[in-house]
Amino acid sequence: VHLVESGGGLVQPGESLRVSCVASGFSFSSYVMSWVRQAPGKGLEWVSVISGHGRGTYYGDSVKGRFTISRDNSKNTLYLQMDSLRAEDTAVYFCTKGGTSFRDESDYWGQGTLVTVSS
Amino acid sequence: SDVLDQPLSVSVAPGETARITCGGNNIGTKSVHWYQQKPGQAPVVVIYYDRDRPSGIPERFSGSKSGDTATLTISRVEAGDEADYYCQVWDSNSDRYVFGSGTKVTVL
Repeated sequence: VHLVESGGGLVQPGESLRVSCVASGFSFSSYVMSWVRQAPGKGLEWVSVISGHGRGTYYGDSVKGRFTISRDNSKNTLYLQMDSLRAEDTAVYFCTKGGTSFRDESDYWGQGTLVTVSS
Repeated sequence: SDVLDQPLSVSVAPGETARITCGGNNIGTKSVHWYQQKPGQAPVVVIYYDRDRPSGIPERFSGSKSGDTATLTISRVEAGDEADYYCQVWDSNSDRYVFGSGTKVTVL
């Protein structure tokens, strides 16, 4: 199993950014996928999750209405569209592979991509 | 609650036992997962579904739950166990994951 995030960078407050995660080594469409972030020096914060078929999506309160999770199972790729970015969204964003149920653990994590929101 | 309660830090001598607790969010009714994160690295699951251990994780790592408190126990602690540890649950009532606040384990 391999998860590779990309798309992070420096953006100004109010701008948008899309990060991606390319997965390999497993049947991508069968598994729940999540985004988890970690602000510098802080703990883990769950951001969003999507079911294997993509019809079930859920968000953390701090990003609800601003972020959109999606997946392209034909490309084994997970996305996170981030709009109206704020300074407090600055973090490393990890892509994680879950199980077939939302209750399952995240058994694989990518190395993360850094998003910095600053003017 | 948005965050599960964990002690900020635990210090333990090599060879001794470290215990990290996790409480709140009625976790007695939920499955608890534990992650280890070393500096500059992505988290790794060390215990899933309260007490199961992934292949490759030493038997020194064990999990338990009693009432609304889950505990990660690290027996015969080694220097390489020094890391941050997080608990996590899926809250089906609000359709969200909740992480613990994190515990830094220091090996003296």
